[in-house]
Amino acid sequence: DAGITQSPRYKITETGRQVTLMCHQTWSHSYMFWYRQDLGHGLRLIYYSAAADITDKGEVPDGYVVSRSKTENFPLTLESATRSQTSVYFCASSLEQDLGYTFGSGTRLTVV
Amino acid sequence: GIQVEQSPPDLILQEGANSTLRCNFSDSVNNLQWFHQNPWGQLINLFYIPSGTKQNGRLSATTVATERYSLLYISSSQTTDSGVYFCAPEGGSEKLVFGKGTKLTVNP
Repeated sequence: DAGITQSPRYKITETGRQVTLMCHQTWSHSYMFWYRQDLGHGLRLIYYSAAADITDKGEVPDGYVVSRSKTENFPLTLESATRSQTSVYFCASSLEQDLGYTFGSGTRLTVV
Repeated sequence: GIQVEQSPPDLILQEGANSTLRCNFSDSVNNLQWFHQNPWGQLINLFYIPSGTKQNGRLSATTVATERYSLLYISSSQTTDSGVYFCAPEGGSEKLVFGKGTKLTVNP
């Protein structure tokens, strides 16, 4: 199916473990983004990518790593998960920077 | 970076009422989008509106970039309009900065 999909939908992990959140889009959109949503903070940008092999930091990049070897995939890795990274993570894509974003359904991550 | 303020933070309406949501931002922008997050958490793009006015059914949006604000109008509200509405202007580096949202509750 066409669209933007995130996996898993829910994840519980332990402090210190590495975890990867997946994002896949089928439109060949150039731009992809990772946001986290927390109560009291709204959505904050973690990392974004303007094209394959081009990534850049957002507002809250510490503790996260991204890669984009293929246009359609933009995984987000927490190298050593901490409780403060408990959040809902949203991936988004956009054909060009001036066009509307489309968001995935989100991944609810709990770090215990 | 750009600062975004949305008002009101909470709004409760009876079905059929009209409402106006406001978004103020601190700097000039090249891009501004409105989103609706439904009660199940899904974020839906409503408008891409860096300036001017757009309409989509019962919803319309106006951005006055020179005065640094945008308005979202909801007419004849329905219970399915409930959720959180986010304004997101571009922060000057191809990235959207989200306001904290207006939580709308429409009662039957």
